[in-house]
Amino acid sequence: GAVVSQHPSRVICKSGTSVKIECRSLDFQATTMFWYRQFPKQSLMLMATSNEGSKATYEQGVEKDKFLINHASLTLSTLTVTSAHPEDSSFYICSAGRATYSQPQHFGDGTRLSIL
Amino acid sequence: AQTVTQSQPEMSVQEAETVTLSCTYDTSESDYYLFWYKQPPSRQMILVIRQEAYKQQNATENRFSVNFQKAAKSFSLKISDSQLGDAAMYFCAYRRGDAGGTSYGKLTFGQGTILTVHP
Repeated sequence: GAVVSQHPSRVICKSGTSVKIECRSLDFQATTMFWYRQFPKQSLMLMATSNEGSKATYEQGVEKDKFLINHASLTLSTLTVTSAHPEDSSFYICSAGRATYSQPQHFGDGTRLSIL
Repeated sequence: AQTVTQSQPEMSVQEAETVTLSCTYDTSESDYYLFWYKQPPSRQMILVIRQEAYKQQNATENRFSVNFQKAAKSFSLKISDSQLGDAAMYFCAYRRGDAGGTSYGKLTFGQGTILTVHP
């Protein structure tokens, strides 16, 4: 079964709305989670690394004030797209790994965000 | 910085036949992991196979096997006896082996290869 749960799976909202996406590790503690963005038929682009109890580390070119990340517990990270606009429409996907670094990352099922 | 290159945007194969997807990477590190992920139309990311850089033996998982050439920094995926369900986008990914620091677990992906399986 799924070890990383991402919610919601699909969001359609009006321009200017803020949207929160949740990523939960179900049966393990994840000190680090990752948020990716993916356009159709393209690769996953890492947006930021979410660190439990501290600030997220953003990749170059990603607006920190636009994409707010909170990792308040060892099992939950949230990505909030603030004042979303049509160009923010995309597929967002999170991943998390167990504390044993040799284990692979587990991915959530992704969130398809459509801004009208 | 590490880079991963998949030079085949699209590939096709007949059902029951064999296909090989290419991947090359660039790194200065000696300890790392390599992965192949499959992303079907549902867009779930499914781990297909992984290889530890320190292991000389090529990893295999049922019909999936890799050809890991560390000196050449090449990591190709061979799919034998292809099935219709293998149709998906395939991503090669790199992860450093160092457990420390905030980059722990960070994956670097290739551009992806869309695989079509013909009946």
